[in-house]
Amino acid sequence: GAGVSQTPSNKVTEKGKYVELRCDPISGHTALYWYRQSLGQGPEFLIYFQGTGAADDSGLPNDRFFAVRPEGSVSTLKIQRTERGDSAVYLCASSPHGETQYFGPGTRLLVL
Amino acid sequence: AQSVAQPEDQVNVAEGNPLTVKCTYSVSGNPYLFWYVQYPNRGLQFLLKYITGDNLVKGSYGFEAEFNKSQTSFHLKKPSALVSDSALYFCAVRPPGGSASKIIFGSGTRLSIRP
Repeated sequence: GAGVSQTPSNKVTEKGKYVELRCDPISGHTALYWYRQSLGQGPEFLIYFQGTGAADDSGLPNDRFFAVRPEGSVSTLKIQRTERGDSAVYLCASSPHGETQYFGPGTRLLVL
Repeated sequence: AQSVAQPEDQVNVAEGNPLTVKCTYSVSGNPYLFWYVQYPNRGLQFLLKYITGDNLVKGSYGFEAEFNKSQTSFHLKKPSALVSDSALYFCAVRPPGGSASKIIFGSGTRLSIRP
């Protein structure tokens, strides 16, 4: 079956611009997660949704980062006024019961 | 603080030899433990998990991991390495309590299998 998909696969933007990253979870998975992976490091948790609501957003680094999941399926991670330090791979994962998380291929964001 | 440690940045093994990738965790209670593998330019792929029960869990591609509560370790093992096992491996823990909560990842270990 189809796995988690993320678009775009690569995004290059200029400092100060706004970006949106999209995640399509596995069909039927109620839990959705966003992580950020910097070069040479493990993924770091950003936010997770249970259905439409953000159950835990403690990993969002600041108020420039925001995520939505309006219909309980697709999610969009939004970054305002991007900074060079935001450059990383943004990973999305989904889970049917909250045990095993299944990851998408990621979006590689480069802020120039 | 809750954390996961992978003490080796890189592990080098000859093909056909057994391999071990080490992981220790610092989490109170009984966590869920995971191993993921990451191939170049690809997302994380689930290998195996420990929830409860038998301390030795078996996963994909012939990998297994042993949970040791007294040593708070969850080392990844394989009896006979393949060149195709070369990749980046991440140990992860989901703290107990709550539901569908976040995973805490280690920094990763690069496994290199030489022919």
